[in-house]
Amino acid sequence: DTGVSQNPRHKITKRGQNVTFRCDPISEHNRLYWYRQTLGQGPEFLTYFQNEAQLEKSRLLSDRFSAERPKGSFSTLEIQRTEQGDSAMYLCASSLARGSMNTEAFFGQGTRLTVV
Amino acid sequence: QKEVEQNSGPLSVPEGAIASLNCTYSDRGSQSFFWYRQYSGKSPELIMFIYSNGDKEDGRFTAQLNKASQYVSLLIRDSQPSDSATYLCAVRSSSASKIIFGSGTRLSIRP
Repeated sequence: DTGVSQNPRHKITKRGQNVTFRCDPISEHNRLYWYRQTLGQGPEFLTYFQNEAQLEKSRLLSDRFSAERPKGSFSTLEIQRTEQGDSAMYLCASSLARGSMNTEAFFGQGTRLTVV
Repeated sequence: QKEVEQNSGPLSVPEGAIASLNCTYSDRGSQSFFWYRQYSGKSPELIMFIYSNGDKEDGRFTAQLNKASQYVSLLIRDSQPSDSATYLCAVRSSSASKIIFGSGTRLSIRP
């Protein structure tokens, strides 16, 4: 399967714990996006990378959230000191950007986080 | 004003009819427009993209773009029960920018 892969698929954690999610994009894609989605809402933009550079981070994202893409391939999203409001589906997507061309983005299956 | 707006629905359409889904966006500089389908509990699946004014057809799906009116629509012909899902409109302002999603329209196809 050469699509976007996210791990784990589900995560249950206690409030106050740290969690880390991983995303492996489509192999030739250099752009990677993180979104958060809650029930009845569309995906909310969190951050995105082009290769290893983090180009934009949402102002809605608190300092407890951090994302990395150290070698321009896979990415990790860490949430520190989780709160119940962090419970959501965390989605990763990737696309190919070259010059003025940027393809459509394809999503992974998501990581569902439940904070208890 | 939200960057991408959709009617949340639910939109109920009889099987075999045409379903029409609409979306407006606020940034006149937007260049790329996408429609994703999302089944309950699943991740979004790309079904159409459009970059130029006019219509783009792919099977039973037609995307329509009117940049002057800042309006994008998706038509689904011969609607099937399997088309029942939430449809997300998404917009990218430029090649160097993020993709912003609307809140989605729930579509229900009744037999």
